[in-house]
Amino acid sequence: SAVISQKPSRDICQRGTSLTIQCQVDSQVTMMFWYRQQPGQSLTLIATANQGSEATYESGFVIDKFPISRPNLTFSTLTVSNMSPEDSSIYLCSVEIAGGPGNEQFFGPGTRLTVL
Amino acid sequence: QKEVEQDPGPLSVPEGAIVSLNCTYSNSAFQYFMWYRQYSRKGPELLMYTYSSGNKEDGRFTAQVDKSSKYISLFIRDSQPSDSATYLCAMSPYSSASKIIFGSGTRLSIRP
Repeated sequence: SAVISQKPSRDICQRGTSLTIQCQVDSQVTMMFWYRQQPGQSLTLIATANQGSEATYESGFVIDKFPISRPNLTFSTLTVSNMSPEDSSIYLCSVEIAGGPGNEQFFGPGTRLTVL
Repeated sequence: QKEVEQDPGPLSVPEGAIVSLNCTYSNSAFQYFMWYRQYSRKGPELLMYTYSSGNKEDGRFTAQVDKSSKYISLFIRDSQPSDSATYLCAMSPYSSASKIIFGSGTRLSIRP
């Protein structure tokens, strides 16, 4: 498994501003993921972040709105840009650990974002 | 139609009861099936995973996959108040779980 921390754990932001969320892992991992979880909803994958390459975004998510950095094998950031109330959600990072017939994903505790 | 359907609940049962949580799916390519448990204000925690059809048991938890019916289940025996959480099923079409499709989660409450 892996120990994953996220900062901040929660924030309240004003419309039009940006917030950068940090994800730190206690071991080196190749694949990191960013998800959004809206109240009562499932997890929606925003993008996959591999070290040394551009992040791969899912349909409906764009780099200008959700820029991602992956400077090394233990760290990633997700920025939520030009925020609106619709961006209020929980943002989660996860990592993939190789092993077994499939590669399990382990999640951080999440960042609870409220946009006013 | 969503790729993965899961009854959101809430489901409330007395302590000691057997709990059955279920998901259906439409993509026959799914091979790798997982259950995550998410406590309030926490990230999802991997509970169990199974590959292809069959059963897998881990303590009080049993995961069951029926690929012919596109139906997966998680059974919790001797349920405890500490089992109160949201349970998310998840599945992937490849042996690598790189892209996981999640159900919407079932909120479970165990009454003491």
